[in-house]
Amino acid sequence: QKEVEQNSGPLSVPEGAIASLNCTYSDRVSQSFFWYRQYSGKSPELIMSIYSNGDKEDGRFTAQLNKASQYVSLLIRDSQPSDSATYLCAVVGGNTPLVFGKGTRLSVIA
Amino acid sequence: DTEVTQTPKHLVMGMTNKKSLKCEQHMGHRAMYWYKQKAKKPPELMFVYSYEKLSINESVPSRFSPECPNSSLLNLHLHALQPEDSALYLCASSASGGAFLDTQYFGPGTRLTVL
Repeated sequence: QKEVEQNSGPLSVPEGAIASLNCTYSDRVSQSFFWYRQYSGKSPELIMSIYSNGDKEDGRFTAQLNKASQYVSLLIRDSQPSDSATYLCAVVGGNTPLVFGKGTRLSVIA
Repeated sequence: DTEVTQTPKHLVMGMTNKKSLKCEQHMGHRAMYWYKQKAKKPPELMFVYSYEKLSINESVPSRFSPECPNSSLLNLHLHALQPEDSALYLCASSASGGAFLDTQYFGPGTRLTVL
């Protein structure tokens, strides 16, 4: 049974700070890793995808992957109140589609 | 353009009704997915179509019946649902079928209420 673990939060950070979201996964053959943002009542929206070890940056977002530790993280720099949402970590491996973590609720306080 | 569309946005149905949810994408994607999401839970995979063939059915009750009429369309037929089936139903698509390694793009969802 593939598992993806996230701290459910809520994670509260002040506006302008760095928010750090973490995710661990159980299946060593996992190959694709995604972060989705989901606002209440809306559908998941892709923030970042990462496939190889290291960092990947896109604007204020940086995804970090460490396959040896089975760990993936998302950093949000200069956090804004509009970043307040649930962040879903999702992992693909083998021939099974996306497995989602339970999500971390982020609250950015103005 | 990474757009997946879903209709209707909202649906209220009784337990004896038959209704259908529709999903469409024009990105040339070859895999399409149905998910169910309850409040404060992550999406749960229901069905996967790869190259228009049903490749994964996650032990979903037969009152949910998927259909893929062509590579751009995905339907979910609903019959004799229970109140606990009330949820947000999400459709997604990804570029290639098979290994499902590609990014999945989600539609806006259909909010279903079963009375």
